[in-house]
Amino acid sequence: GENVEQHPSTLSVQEGDSAVIKCTYSDSASNYFPWYKQELGKGPQLIIDIRSNVGEKKDQRIAVTLNKTAKHFSLHITETQPEDSAVYFCAAGYGNNRLAFGKGNQVVVIP
Amino acid sequence: SQTIHQWPATLVQPVGSPLSLECTVEGTSNPNLYWYRQAAGRGLQLLFYSVGIGQISSEVPQNLSASRPQDRQFILSSKKLLLSDSGFYLCAHQGPGGNTEAFFGQGTRLTVV
Repeated sequence: GENVEQHPSTLSVQEGDSAVIKCTYSDSASNYFPWYKQELGKGPQLIIDIRSNVGEKKDQRIAVTLNKTAKHFSLHITETQPEDSAVYFCAAGYGNNRLAFGKGNQVVVIP
Repeated sequence: SQTIHQWPATLVQPVGSPLSLECTVEGTSNPNLYWYRQAAGRGLQLLFYSVGIGQISSEVPQNLSASRPQDRQFILSSKKLLLSDSGFYLCAHQGPGGNTEAFFGQGTRLTVV
């Protein structure tokens, strides 16, 4: 199977600063890497994803980078705002129909 | 549009009692369906997944079972709950090809007392 490690477990940033969350994966056959945001008491929601045929993808203040050789990928949030406070999960697709999730990262944006 | 319904939102059950959590999907056909459990600090653990009616795969041995009686219905069950079954249970669906966006339900907070 696939093993996904996510660091750090918690991250506090000042409003307006950038936040970076890093993940590593073990299965070199994985080719789909989504990031999810989970607000308290709700199910996770996809915020951005990347496939192995690209190295970087951006969507407004959010970007994801992928290094297939090193088997790691990162989420970058710029100009953080209080509403960015949430738990963020990285995941890697495996077996063509499953996702292995990291343990999550609690991001706190301090006003 | 695709929607996923999961109920109940919260549930308190005594040890040894049965469990039935239901999940239904709208707006898509032949989805892959999933049950995850989320424990504090441990991320999302895949419990079961299904690629079609009556087809259930289990990722981890446990006190739970799953069934898919209809294309867009996925049920998580237990005959006798244990204290360790407490957690936040999430149903999700993906397109039939896999490796696509997973849509999650709002979750069920189960407390076994």
